[in-house]
Amino acid sequence: AQSVTQPDIHITVSEGASLELRCNYSYGATPYLFWYVQSPGQGLQLLLKYFSGDTLVQGIKGFEAEFKRSQSSFNLRKPSVHWSDAAEYFCAVGENIRGGSQGNLIFGKGTKLSVKP
Amino acid sequence: GAVVSQHPSRVICKSGTSVKIECRSLDFQATTMFWYRQFPKQSLMLMATSNEGSKATYEQGVEKDKFLINHASLTLSTLTVTSAHPEDSSFYICSARDSPGLSYNYEQYFGPGTRLTVT
Repeated sequence: AQSVTQPDIHITVSEGASLELRCNYSYGATPYLFWYVQSPGQGLQLLLKYFSGDTLVQGIKGFEAEFKRSQSSFNLRKPSVHWSDAAEYFCAVGENIRGGSQGNLIFGKGTKLSVKP
Repeated sequence: GAVVSQHPSRVICKSGTSVKIECRSLDFQATTMFWYRQFPKQSLMLMATSNEGSKATYEQGVEKDKFLINHASLTLSTLTVTSAHPEDSSFYICSARDSPGLSYNYEQYFGPGTRLTVT
């Protein structure tokens, strides 16, 4: 069955430090991969997505993620974290419509990012 | 970019009453809409998927008679929580997707969510 694992429940980094949030997926076909960010009491904002092509994907707010098929990973990175980046981050895999699904998203449990001044 | 709105953003209701939440795609036609539920400090759990003009497909364990979903037009889907109870209190988020097209590239656009509190 398809699944997404975010091993870190909570991460704290200092402002200006680099960040890497881990995401591993289990999916039988070519995955469509997403990273979303959620601020408290808000909906989800798409940071970046991978469908095909270049395995290093650039997103908004200075985020990037690298798809590594051999490791079934799609880790999110940012070279220098800002205090406003404190939020919950969700990795998701999208089911392939070609396989007859509705294109559902399967979410990881999320990683809460706290930023120290 | 594609915008999805939800209304209301926050609602408090008494136990036993019904509540309707609207999800609208503002600048695109949503052939498919998804309804999620999110408990505090937890991930999003898919409740159901609805296609315009069709009955919704519910995930296992979701009571379709309790969570009524109507997707009557390409821009509007509604979720009605019937006979609400305190355990239905949660954050409900909808998302919408347009036609994937020939490339099958697609993404879901999320609404801002609705906080339901049942007293």
